[in-house]
This record gives sequence, C-alpha cells and structure tokens, in this order.
Amino acid sequence: AQTVTQSQPEMSVQEAETVTLSCTYDTSESDYYLFWYKQPPSRQMILVIRQEAYKQQNATENRFSVNFQKAAKSFSLKISDSQLGDAAMYFCAYETWNYGGSQGNLIFGKGTKLSVKP
Amino acid sequence: DVKVTQSSRYLVKRTGEKVFLECVQDMDHENMFWYRQDPGLGLRLIYFSYDVKMKEKGDIPEGYSVSREKKERFSLILESASTNQTSMYLCASSLATRGEKLFFGSGTQLSVL
Repeated sequence: AQTVTQSQPEMSVQEAETVTLSCTYDTSESDYYLFWYKQPPSRQMILVIRQEAYKQQNATENRFSVNFQKAAKSFSLKISDSQLGDAAMYFCAYETWNYGGSQGNLIFGKGTKLSVKP
Repeated sequence: DVKVTQSSRYLVKRTGEKVFLECVQDMDHENMFWYRQDPGLGLRLIYFSYDVKMKEKGDIPEGYSVSREKKERFSLILESASTNQTSMYLCASSLATRGEKLFFGSGTQLSVL
C-alpha cells in the first residue's frame, strides 16, 4: 500500500526567507501524481502545486517549487520569499488510481505546520 | 467561483444521536469524498463516490455511511454518534480524471458529547 510521510510536524521561517518542507512516499507504481495542499487557519484547503511522476522538470508556481527525486521517492516543497500569509498546515498527498474503475483518491501525509515570523 | 459547501461549520451532538453532514458542489464533478482530519493524523479517507448512488469505502469507514442520490450532493451519516467521532470533517470533489485537484469545503467541526 502507498504511504506518505512528512517528518517535520512543525517548521518556522523568517519573513522573506526560504523554507523547505519534506515529504517522502512509498509506491511500486511508475506513473503517479503528487500534490502539496495548504490549509490556512480558515480551514479552506487549497492546492499549492502538483507534479506528474513522468515529468522530469520540477513543477513551479510563483514562489513555490518542488524538488522531485523519483528514485529516492522524495517530494519536497520550497517556499521562497516567505510571506506572513504562507503560515498554514501543509499536506503532501499521493494520488492512488484504480485503472480498472478509472477512479482514484488521495493519500495524505500528517502535515507540517509552518509558522512565519515577521 | 467554484464551490463546495458544507452545511455546518460547527456542530454539537450527543452520544447515540444520528448525525447528517451535508456537502454540495456546484461544479458537476463526478467524484466526491469525505475525509476526517485529526491533529497529528492528517486527513484520512472515510468514503468516496465516483457516481450517483455509487460509493466506495475508504480507510476508516466503520461507524459511518454515505448517501449520494444526486450528483451534486454527498451526505455523511453517523448512525449512532460516539465521542471518538469528535473531529473535523472535510468534504471534497473533483473531476474523474487522473491528476485533477480536489476542491474542498470549509469543514465541519463536530463535537460529540
């Protein structure tokens, strides 16, 4: 069964600095999707970034980028120029997919709480 | 703006009560999900549905059931609420395509006393 591990329950970063959140996963599949979701204090989960395993290039979205190491099964999130609004819970997720039924769902890690200091 | 709406933001119920959590999406999504979120445990899948009247068990279905009579609505039912079901419940929806992002509701914080 696939698993997702976030080893850092809490992280802290100074405003304008860079922080990296770690995520490792376990799977025997060769093609899959990985995601980072953000949950601010408002509780509304939103997608930060997504990566398809077959794509060599690391995904980027403005100040957010990933370091995807397929062989190591590692998918870390880098936040550059951290802002106060980046303070939130961050969840790494792996998409499982049932090819026979064309359906899937996400397996989430336990989350990393990021604090941003002014 | 696309929306997933959960009927209650906070809910307080008594042990043994039957509890209904409602979720409605306005995006014509095929897939709908119910997750439970607990501190230190992340999100765990309770049930999901990929079509009307279809449902699949997730990782922790015990003590829960679901109903999807219409495409836009997915209900989570606690047949007899217990204190260990005190938690945050998140509903989500998505298209039935690989790699699609989930759209989440704002969550229902349920307390069972």
